[in-house]
Amino acid sequence: EAGVAQSPRYKIIEKRQSVAFWCNPISGHATLYWYQQILGQGPKLLIQFQNNGVVDDSQLPKDRFSAERLKGVDSTLKIQPAKLEDSAVYLCASSLDNQPQHFGDGTRLSIL
Amino acid sequence: AQSVAQPEDQVNVAEGNPLTVKCTYSVSGNPYLFWYVQYPNRGLQFLLKYITGDNLVKGSYGFEAEFNKSQTSFHLKKPSALVSDSALYFCAVGPNNNNDMRFGAGTRLTVKP
Repeated sequence: EAGVAQSPRYKIIEKRQSVAFWCNPISGHATLYWYQQILGQGPKLLIQFQNNGVVDDSQLPKDRFSAERLKGVDSTLKIQPAKLEDSAVYLCASSLDNQPQHFGDGTRLSIL
Repeated sequence: AQSVAQPEDQVNVAEGNPLTVKCTYSVSGNPYLFWYVQYPNRGLQFLLKYITGDNLVKGSYGFEAEFNKSQTSFHLKKPSALVSDSALYFCAVGPNNNNDMRFGAGTRLTVKP
């Protein structure tokens, strides 16, 4: 089966600019997750969707981060405006109910 | 709130020797525990999980983990390490099977020929 697809793989922007990441989960996976992985740390959950509804966004910095999954399939994560501390790898994952999460290869974001 | 700790940033072993990567957890209620592996510039790959049942869990690529409730530990083990096992290993805990998972900071395993 095809894995979780993410694009772009790399992005370099200046602080205060906007950026968007795209994720296409494994076909049929109802649950989709966005994680932020800062260098030297484990992934931190930003938001979790069940189909097109938000299950958990308690750790999402809502003043600058937003995410949507309008049709319950692919998803976009946006940062506006970006700060230096947003430099990280942004990982998308998907899962079937009660099954392990499958991760994409991530988008590495560098803020100048 | 649940959390995990991986006390070792780095573990070095020789090829063919047994390996252990340590993890301790803190959670209210029964823990759901996971191990994931991450290769350079790749996403995380699931290795194994503990929900209930036998304390020794077997997973992918010959890895296993032992759940110890009294020590609140879930150490990852492999009887004979391979050079290809060199990677970053993450322990994670959740209140249920897939929601609100908290990852440790990771342990870099290096297996030397």
